[in-house]
Amino acid sequence: AQKITQTQPGMFVQEKEAVTLDCTYDTSDQSYGLFWYKQPSSGEMIFLIYQGSYDEQNATEGRYSLNFQKARKSANLVISASQLGDSAMYFCAMREEKTSYDKVIFGPGTSLSVIP
Amino acid sequence: IAGITQAPTSQILAAGRRMTLRCTQDMRHNAMYWYRQDLGLGLRLIHYSNTAGTTGKGEVPDGYSVSRANTDDFPLTLASAVPSQTSVYFCASKPSGSSLSEQYFGPGTRLTVT
Repeated sequence: AQKITQTQPGMFVQEKEAVTLDCTYDTSDQSYGLFWYKQPSSGEMIFLIYQGSYDEQNATEGRYSLNFQKARKSANLVISASQLGDSAMYFCAMREEKTSYDKVIFGPGTSLSVIP
Repeated sequence: IAGITQAPTSQILAAGRRMTLRCTQDMRHNAMYWYRQDLGLGLRLIHYSNTAGTTGKGEVPDGYSVSRANTDDFPLTLASAVPSQTSVYFCASKPSGSSLSEQYFGPGTRLTVT
């Protein structure tokens, strides 16, 4: 069964420093997609970044980059130059490609706190 | 453009009562989803709809039903609420046929069943 693991329930980072949030996944599919979402204390789910399993380059979106290591089945999120507004829950998610619907599995999340 | 709206924002409900959570999107997305979010478990899919007139069961469908009479609306009904259905409920949508597109989420409904 497909599964997403986020081993860091909570993380702290100093403002302006970089931080890596870990995500490992388990799938037997060759074609899949990986996502990261941010959930601030206000509760909404904000899409951050996407990586396809066949993408050769690591995805980047502004200060966010996804460190994709396919052989290790890991898709870590790197946030550079942390800001106070980055304090939030972060969810890693995986999309299965070969299903009759858009099946997205979410990890349990990592709570990030940015310290001034 | 509002995106996805959900109502109510929050609700306290007595066990055994019937409740419908509303979800409306104005993006003309074909696919819509209902998730529940529980601490330590992330989001789990309850039901989905690939297009108006069709629905399907997700990972945790028991105790919930949905309908999709048109493209914009996707209500979730709890026929007889139980305390284990206390959760935050998110509605989401996505354009069909776009495997690269992310799901767009509503603001959520916080439901407490007493």
